[in-house]
Amino acid sequence: GDSVTQMEGPVTLSEEAFLTINCTYTATGYPSLFWYVQYPGEGLQLLLKATKADDKGSNKGFEATYRKETTSFHLEKGSVQVSDSAVYFCALSTYTNAGKSTFGDGTTLTVKP
Amino acid sequence: EAGVTQSPTHLIKTRGQQATLRCSPISGHTSVYWYQQALGLGLQFLLWYDEGEERNRGNFPPRFSGRQFPNYSSELNVNALELEDSALYLCASSLVTGGRTGELFFGEGSRLTVL
Repeated sequence: GDSVTQMEGPVTLSEEAFLTINCTYTATGYPSLFWYVQYPGEGLQLLLKATKADDKGSNKGFEATYRKETTSFHLEKGSVQVSDSAVYFCALSTYTNAGKSTFGDGTTLTVKP
Repeated sequence: EAGVTQSPTHLIKTRGQQATLRCSPISGHTSVYWYQQALGLGLQFLLWYDEGEERNRGNFPPRFSGRQFPNYSSELNVNALELEDSALYLCASSLVTGGRTGELFFGEGSRLTVL
C-alpha cells in the first residue's frame, strides 16, 4: 500500500534559520505529492504541491522538489519566521486508490525569536 | 467564499453511544472526504463521498458510516462508540472527482471525546 514517512519532530529553530523537513514515500501508482500546514487551532491547508517528477512546488518561501529516483519530497525554507510555527504534513494521492490521500504523521515546527 | 464548515466543534459521548458529525463543503465541490486524526497517529482516511455515493473507505469497521446529501453536505456516523474513537474528525472537500485526488480543502474539525 501507499505510505509516507516524515522526519520525526518536534523541530525547534531560531528565526532566520534554514529549514528542511524530510519526506519519503512509497506508492503503488504515480503519485501527486503535497505539503499541508496546520497552524494552531486551525484546519489543514495546502502549502504546495507537485504532480510529476522534477516538478518544484513553492509558496510563501517554502519549496519542495518531486524526486522520483529517491522517492522524496523534502520541504525547505531558507529563512524561517516565528509565524511559520505549525505542524507540517507530507501527503500523496494516486489513481490506484482513488479518493484517498495518504498522510505522514506530521512534523511540529517551533521557531523561536 | 465560505470554507468547509463542520459541526459540532466538540462532542462528548459515553461508550456505546452514537455520534453524528456534519460537514458542508465549499460551494461547487462535489467530493467530501472524512479523516480521523487521533493523538499521535496522524491522519487516517475514513471515507470518500462523491455525487451522493460512497466511493472508497479506509480500514475502519462498519460502525463508521456516513452519507452525502443532494446538496453535497455530508454526515459521519459512529455507532457503538469505543474509547479509542476519541479523536479529531476532519472533513475535506475537493473539486476533483475520481482519479488522482488533487488539493483538499479542510474544515477545522470536530473533536469527539468518548468517556
